[in-house]
Amino acid sequence: NAGVTQTPKFRILKIGQSMTLQCAQDMNHNYMYWYRQDPGMGLKLIYYSVGAGITDKGEVPNGYNVSRSTTEDFPLRLELAAPSQTSVYFCASSFVGAEKLFFGSGTQLSVL
Amino acid sequence: DQQVKQNSPSLSVQEGRISILNCDYTNSMFDYFLWYKKYPAEGPTFLISISSIKDKNEDGRFTVFLNKSAKHLSLHIVPSQPGDSAVYFCAARNTGTASKLTFGTGTRLQVTL
Repeated sequence: NAGVTQTPKFRILKIGQSMTLQCAQDMNHNYMYWYRQDPGMGLKLIYYSVGAGITDKGEVPNGYNVSRSTTEDFPLRLELAAPSQTSVYFCASSFVGAEKLFFGSGTQLSVL
Repeated sequence: DQQVKQNSPSLSVQEGRISILNCDYTNSMFDYFLWYKKYPAEGPTFLISISSIKDKNEDGRFTVFLNKSAKHLSLHIVPSQPGDSAVYFCAARNTGTASKLTFGTGTRLQVTL
């Protein structure tokens, strides 16, 4: 039982490049989330999903896209990376909405 | 608009003493509150939670108190241990948007020997 797995752990992108952050969970949770954490700040919700095929925007969705084709996977796509997207990204899942989220170990992304 | 506020960025406590971490919120629609603990290079892990219908919840060394009239909650750790040194985040759920949590900015706790 691996929980929530995120890949990669670290990535450096050049301005304008694109990439996909992968997230998978093996707990059969319906709810999945993407958060970003900037230095000295709390976690900001980017996108979330309440089940396969259903996604919705969080507080800071601009510059990102998501898809949820299966219960297990919730990839986050960055198009045309910008320095403002330099952050640590966390994927999370939960059985019940917004209760006891299980987090992955994070992806540290730098856009230079 | 920071709806969940942790006004103390850091706190230092001696081992064996009580640690008290505070959190204030502004949105009266929050109905469920959680505390998460985060070690460096790891994701946050769930610690303890409390529903708005309660004013206290206890789990071992950890107790969360909720004062709805003051829109304030606190996490008490007794006794504090060196392994408790981490960043603690307070989070709240809005009853109207039950799929999302709003997080505070975190308090770094250091437990000294």
